[in-house]
Amino acid sequence: DTAVSQTPKYLVTQMGNDKSIKCEQNLGHDTMYWYKQDSKKFLKIMFSYNNKELIINETVPNRFSPKSPDKAHLNLHINSLELGDSAVYFCASSQSQSQPQHFGDGTRLSIL
Amino acid sequence: AQSVTQLDSQVPVFEEAPVELRCNYSSSVSVYLFWYVQYPNQGLQLLLKYLSGSTLVKGINGFEAEFNKSQTSFHLRKPSVHISDTAEYFCAVSGGNTGKLIFGQGTTLQVKP
Repeated sequence: DTAVSQTPKYLVTQMGNDKSIKCEQNLGHDTMYWYKQDSKKFLKIMFSYNNKELIINETVPNRFSPKSPDKAHLNLHINSLELGDSAVYFCASSQSQSQPQHFGDGTRLSIL
Repeated sequence: AQSVTQLDSQVPVFEEAPVELRCNYSSSVSVYLFWYVQYPNQGLQLLLKYLSGSTLVKGINGFEAEFNKSQTSFHLRKPSVHISDTAEYFCAVSGGNTGKLIFGQGTTLQVKP
Protein backbone atom coordinates (compact mmCIF):
# COMPACT_ATOMS: atom_id res chain seq x y z
CA ASP A 1 0.00 0.00 0.00
CA THR A 2 1.25 3.46 -0.89
CA ALA A 3 1.85 5.50 2.26
CA VAL A 4 1.58 8.99 0.74
CA SER A 5 -0.20 9.16 -2.59
CA GLN A 6 -0.66 12.16 -4.85
CA THR A 7 -2.90 12.58 -7.86
CA PRO A 8 -2.40 13.30 -10.62
CA LYS A 9 1.21 12.30 -11.27
CA TYR A 10 1.41 14.57 -14.31
CA LEU A 11 -0.59 17.72 -14.99
CA VAL A 12 -0.26 19.67 -18.22
CA THR A 13 -2.42 22.75 -18.58
CA GLN A 14 -2.56 26.23 -20.00
CA MET A 15 -1.75 29.53 -18.39
CA GLY A 16 -4.69 31.07 -16.57
CA ASN A 17 -6.41 27.78 -15.71
CA ASP A 18 -7.30 26.59 -12.21
CA LYS A 19 -6.14 23.15 -11.07
CA SER A 20 -6.03 20.98 -7.95
CA ILE A 21 -3.61 18.36 -6.69
CA LYS A 22 -4.78 15.82 -4.15
CA CYS A 23 -2.77 14.12 -1.43
CA GLU A 24 -3.72 11.31 0.92
CA GLN A 25 -1.71 9.51 3.57
CA ASN A 26 -2.60 6.22 5.22
CA LEU A 27 0.09 6.35 7.91
CA GLY A 28 -2.11 7.87 10.59
CA HIS A 29 0.13 10.93 10.73
CA ASP A 30 -1.02 14.21 12.25
CA THR A 31 1.03 16.61 10.10
CA MET A 32 1.06 17.10 6.33
CA TYR A 33 3.12 19.35 4.07
CA TRP A 34 3.39 20.70 0.53
CA TYR A 35 6.80 21.34 -1.04
CA LYS A 36 7.75 22.78 -4.41
CA GLN A 37 10.79 21.49 -6.32
CA ASP A 38 11.94 23.80 -9.10
CA SER A 39 13.80 23.00 -12.30
CA LYS A 40 17.13 23.14 -10.45
CA LYS A 41 15.81 20.53 -8.00
CA PHE A 42 15.68 23.01 -5.14
CA LEU A 43 13.03 22.04 -2.56
CA LYS A 44 11.10 24.63 -0.60
CA ILE A 45 8.24 24.22 1.83
CA MET A 46 4.96 25.91 0.97
CA PHE A 47 2.44 24.88 3.62
CA SER A 48 1.99 22.60 6.59
CA TYR A 49 -1.12 21.43 8.43
CA ASN A 50 -1.30 19.77 11.81
CA ASN A 51 -4.59 18.05 12.53
CA LYS A 52 -6.35 20.16 9.88
CA GLU A 53 -4.92 23.39 11.27
CA LEU A 54 -2.57 25.53 9.15
CA ILE A 55 0.77 25.92 10.94
CA ILE A 56 3.19 26.94 8.16
CA ASN A 57 2.34 29.34 5.39
CA GLU A 58 5.49 30.43 3.59
CA THR A 59 5.66 33.37 1.23
CA VAL A 60 3.49 31.82 -1.43
CA PRO A 61 1.20 33.74 -3.81
CA ASN A 62 -2.38 33.68 -2.59
CA ARG A 63 -3.31 31.94 -5.85
CA PHE A 64 -2.21 28.81 -3.95
CA SER A 65 -4.73 27.59 -1.40
CA PRO A 66 -4.32 24.42 0.63
CA LYS A 67 -7.31 22.62 2.05
CA SER A 68 -7.35 19.84 4.62
CA PRO A 69 -10.78 18.18 4.89
CA ASP A 70 -9.41 15.72 7.46
CA LYS A 71 -5.98 14.87 8.83
CA ALA A 72 -5.38 12.19 6.17
CA HIS A 73 -5.86 14.58 3.25
CA LEU A 74 -4.19 17.79 2.16
CA ASN A 75 -5.14 19.19 -1.22
CA LEU A 76 -3.57 22.07 -3.10
CA HIS A 77 -5.64 24.33 -5.33
CA ILE A 78 -3.95 26.75 -7.69
CA ASN A 79 -5.82 29.59 -9.40
CA SER A 80 -4.79 31.48 -12.53
CA LEU A 81 -1.76 29.32 -13.28
CA GLU A 82 1.38 31.08 -14.46
CA LEU A 83 4.44 29.83 -16.33
CA GLY A 84 6.53 30.10 -13.16
CA ASP A 85 4.27 27.57 -11.43
CA SER A 86 5.80 24.81 -13.53
CA ALA A 87 7.52 22.53 -11.03
CA VAL A 88 7.20 19.25 -9.20
CA TYR A 89 4.97 19.48 -6.13
CA PHE A 90 5.53 17.03 -3.31
CA CYS A 91 3.20 16.14 -0.50
CA ALA A 92 4.64 14.76 2.74
CA SER A 93 3.44 13.66 6.15
CA SER A 94 4.96 13.03 9.57
CA GLN A 95 3.86 11.65 12.92
CA SER A 96 4.66 14.98 14.54
CA GLN A 97 6.65 18.08 13.72
CA SER A 98 9.88 16.58 15.08
CA GLN A 99 9.65 13.26 13.24
CA PRO A 100 10.92 12.39 9.73
CA GLN A 101 8.65 13.21 6.83
CA HIS A 102 7.40 10.65 4.32
CA PHE A 103 7.07 11.94 0.77
CA GLY A 104 4.74 11.14 -2.09
CA ASP A 105 6.06 10.57 -5.61
CA GLY A 106 5.28 14.11 -6.69
CA THR A 107 3.04 15.83 -9.21
CA ARG A 108 4.83 17.27 -12.24
CA LEU A 109 2.96 20.44 -13.26
CA SER A 110 3.71 21.87 -16.70
CA ILE A 111 2.20 25.15 -17.82
CA LEU A 112 1.95 25.75 -21.56
CA ALA B 1 17.10 31.41 10.66
CA GLN B 2 18.38 28.06 9.48
CA SER B 3 20.27 27.16 6.34
CA VAL B 4 21.90 24.12 4.78
CA THR B 5 24.85 24.04 2.41
CA GLN B 6 25.80 20.99 0.42
CA LEU B 7 29.33 21.65 -0.64
CA ASP B 8 29.38 19.55 -3.82
CA SER B 9 26.78 19.78 -6.56
CA GLN B 10 28.10 16.64 -8.29
CA VAL B 11 30.20 13.76 -7.03
CA PRO B 12 31.43 11.24 -9.62
CA VAL B 13 32.82 8.02 -8.18
CA PHE B 14 33.68 4.55 -9.43
CA GLU B 15 31.70 1.52 -8.32
CA GLU B 16 32.93 -0.06 -5.07
CA ALA B 17 34.82 3.11 -4.09
CA PRO B 18 34.01 4.96 -0.85
CA VAL B 19 32.10 8.23 -1.00
CA GLU B 20 31.42 11.21 1.26
CA LEU B 21 28.73 13.79 0.55
CA ARG B 22 29.27 16.94 2.58
CA CYS B 23 26.64 18.95 4.41
CA ASN B 24 27.00 21.98 6.66
CA TYR B 25 24.18 23.74 8.45
CA SER B 26 23.58 26.86 10.48
CA SER B 27 20.97 27.30 13.16
CA SER B 28 20.43 29.28 16.33
CA VAL B 29 18.40 26.46 17.90
CA SER B 30 18.85 22.73 18.40
CA VAL B 31 18.25 20.90 15.18
CA TYR B 32 17.16 17.62 13.74
CA LEU B 33 19.14 16.51 10.69
CA PHE B 34 18.16 14.28 7.80
CA TRP B 35 19.49 12.85 4.58
CA TYR B 36 17.05 12.00 1.81
CA VAL B 37 17.65 10.29 -1.54
CA GLN B 38 15.70 11.00 -4.72
CA TYR B 39 15.85 8.53 -7.59
CA PRO B 40 14.83 9.81 -11.04
CA ASN B 41 11.13 10.70 -11.30
CA GLN B 42 10.47 9.58 -7.75
CA GLY B 43 9.79 11.18 -4.40
CA LEU B 44 12.23 11.56 -1.54
CA GLN B 45 13.14 8.56 0.57
CA LEU B 46 14.59 8.94 4.04
CA LEU B 47 18.13 7.55 4.29
CA LEU B 48 18.83 8.41 7.90
CA LYS B 49 18.12 10.90 10.66
CA TYR B 50 19.74 12.47 13.66
CA LEU B 51 17.30 13.48 16.40
CA SER B 52 19.45 13.05 19.50
CA GLY B 53 21.86 10.62 21.15
CA SER B 54 24.77 8.97 19.36
CA THR B 55 26.39 11.25 16.82
CA LEU B 56 27.08 8.38 14.41
CA VAL B 57 23.87 7.45 12.66
CA LYS B 58 23.37 4.42 10.46
CA GLY B 59 20.76 4.38 7.74
CA ILE B 60 19.45 2.24 4.93
CA ASN B 61 21.46 0.89 1.99
CA GLY B 62 24.75 0.94 3.95
CA PHE B 63 24.87 4.72 4.44
CA GLU B 64 25.92 6.43 7.64
CA ALA B 65 26.40 10.01 8.77
CA GLU B 66 28.13 11.75 11.64
CA PHE B 67 26.71 14.75 13.44
CA ASN B 68 29.48 17.18 14.40
CA LYS B 69 28.08 20.00 16.47
CA SER B 70 31.31 22.00 16.72
CA GLN B 71 31.75 21.98 12.95
CA THR B 72 28.00 22.17 12.27
CA SER B 73 28.32 19.33 9.81
CA PHE B 74 26.39 16.18 8.97
CA HIS B 75 28.39 14.42 6.25
CA LEU B 76 27.04 11.29 4.58
CA ARG B 77 29.33 8.33 3.91
CA LYS B 78 29.27 4.92 2.31
CA PRO B 79 32.31 2.61 2.26
CA SER B 80 31.53 1.01 -1.09
CA VAL B 81 29.01 2.37 -3.59
CA HIS B 82 26.96 0.53 -6.20
CA ILE B 83 25.65 1.64 -9.57
CA SER B 84 22.19 1.66 -8.00
CA ASP B 85 23.26 4.43 -5.59
CA THR B 86 23.25 6.89 -8.50
CA ALA B 87 20.70 9.51 -7.44
CA GLU B 88 20.21 12.98 -5.98
CA TYR B 89 20.95 13.32 -2.27
CA PHE B 90 19.50 16.04 -0.07
CA CYS B 91 20.58 17.12 3.38
CA ALA B 92 17.86 18.78 5.44
CA VAL B 93 17.50 20.44 8.82
CA SER B 94 14.50 21.22 10.97
CA GLY B 95 14.34 23.07 14.24
CA GLY B 96 11.80 24.61 16.48
CA ASN B 97 8.33 23.13 16.69
CA THR B 98 6.91 23.53 13.19
CA GLY B 99 8.55 20.58 11.42
CA LYS B 100 9.60 22.87 8.60
CA LEU B 101 12.41 21.20 6.63
CA ILE B 102 15.12 23.38 5.14
CA PHE B 103 16.86 21.56 2.31
CA GLY B 104 20.31 21.90 0.84
CA GLN B 105 20.77 22.35 -2.88
CA GLY B 106 21.28 18.64 -3.44
CA THR B 107 24.28 16.56 -4.54
CA THR B 108 24.15 14.36 -7.61
CA LEU B 109 26.02 11.12 -6.96
CA GLN B 110 27.15 9.51 -10.22
CA VAL B 111 28.49 5.99 -9.78
CA LYS B 112 30.48 4.78 -12.78
CA PRO B 113 31.26 1.16 -13.64
